Amino acid sequence: ETGVTQTPRHLVMGMTNKKSLKCEQHLGHNAMYWYKQSAKKPLELMFVYNFKEQTENNSVPSRFSPECPNSSHLFLHLHTLQPEDSALYLCASSQQGAGNQPQHFGDGTRLSIL
Amino acid sequence: GENVEQHPSTLSVQEGDSAVIKCTYSDSASNYFPWYKQELGKRPQLIIDIRSNVGEKKDQRIAVTLNKTAKHFSLHITETQPEDSAVYFCAASRPNYGQNFVFGPGTRLSVLP
Repeated sequence: ETGVTQTPRHLVMGMTNKKSLKCEQHLGHNAMYWYKQSAKKPLELMFVYNFKEQTENNSVPSRFSPECPNSSHLFLHLHTLQPEDSALYLCASSQQGAGNQPQHFGDGTRLSIL
Repeated sequence: GENVEQHPSTLSVQEGDSAVIKCTYSDSASNYFPWYKQELGKRPQLIIDIRSNVGEKKDQRIAVTLNKTAKHFSLHITETQPEDSAVYFCAASRPNYGQNFVFGPGTRLSVLP
């Protein structure tokens, strides 16, 4: 399944670097999500976008900055990250407005902060 | 807010045996419960889901049961195979927050040959 594509797959960066994660969905969905997955922790919802509008920010530090230019693309801009931010970052999409629908995930970006 | 607990955290079964994973949730308004399977190094993939208007759903070797009164739901895998080895996540919807979910912490299932 290639419905949700994330790039890059792996990223190593220093604490002072600026980088961006990209997510693209080809499923015609109108909602997109960023999750953080750390070892031995549940999936943590970070941001939600419905029809390009941010509808949820789960108390995420400002060093993470999302951007959703259209319903098919989602970015996560990273700046001055901390070692504890090392994790797998997953993007997902779903179809809102049609009752409860499952979310479809990308393969994730494995982020390592030096 | 919604809290989802999942047990056990790890589960080992012999090939051919059954596996059961249980989840509890706290928000009585939750009405949709998907289950995801995540193999090592891969994305979480939906394997089955259930809505609050039914008590059980089955798809080949996989079944899910829901007890709304007790606020718990379970995943049942019969005739387990080595390829069933993965981490399984349950989730519960948050009706007051659009179609977002709260995920359980996951169960690592190992099917021993």
